[in-house]
Amino acid sequence: DAGITQSPRHKVTETGTPVTLRCHQTENHRYMYWYRQDPGHGLRLIHYSYGVKDTDKGEVSDGYSVSRSKTEDFLLTLESATSSQTSVYFCAISEPGLPRGSEQFFGPGTRLTVL
Amino acid sequence: QKEVEQNSGPLSVPEGAIASLNCTYSDRGSQSFFWYRQYSGKSPELIMSIYSNGDKEDGRFTAQLNKASQYVSLLIRDSQPSDSATYLCAGPLPCFYGNNRLAFGKGNQVVVIP
Repeated sequence: DAGITQSPRHKVTETGTPVTLRCHQTENHRYMYWYRQDPGHGLRLIHYSYGVKDTDKGEVSDGYSVSRSKTEDFLLTLESATSSQTSVYFCAISEPGLPRGSEQFFGPGTRLTVL
Repeated sequence: QKEVEQNSGPLSVPEGAIASLNCTYSDRGSQSFFWYRQYSGKSPELIMSIYSNGDKEDGRFTAQLNKASQYVSLLIRDSQPSDSATYLCAGPLPCFYGNNRLAFGKGNQVVVIP
C-alpha cells in the first residue's frame, strides 16, 4: 500500500458522535486525499490536501472536516456522524510533477458503520 | 456526460481468454489515464498508467488510449482466476490539472471462470 496506513481499520459508532479517521504516509508525498466508496457511487472525493495546512473541498464534503499539521498525517473528522456516512473510507497520496504526478496510491481503507 | 464513464456491466470470461474493458472520457484536454484493480474488500491498486496516444503493454495487461475517440481501454490477456476483480478507470478532472485530482469511473467487475 505504498507506505500508507489508516486507522482505525474498522469502527462502529452511534449517530451524533464525532469520529476521526487518520491517514499516515511514509512516502513524503505532498498531496493527500480522502475518498468514500459506496455501492452505485464509486469513489467520491471528500477533501484533499496539497500541503501542510493547505486543504480544499471535494464533491461530498458536507459533514466532514480535515486537518493536516504534518506532511505525513491527514485527519478526517465526521463532526456528528449520521447513518448516511456509513461507508468505506480510503486515503490516497500523490506527488505532483510530470510525467507520473497524477498517479494516486491508496491506503488499505477504513470501514465505518454508523448505527 | 460524467468526466469518466464505464458503462459495461459485469464481464465473465473463461480462463485463458482476453478480457476487454472500456472507458470514455469527456475532456479532450486530458493527457493521462489510469487503471486500478480492486479486489473485493480491498483498496484500489494502480496497475496501468498511460500518458500518450496508442498502446502500452505491461505483462499480460495492455492499455490503449485513443484521444480522437476519447476512450481508454484495458486488455487482459490469458485471463487468470486471480484477475477476478473490479477494474476502475481514472483520469484527471477538467479544471483541476494543477492539483492532481482524478475522476473515477464506477468500475467494471471481471469474473474469470476456470
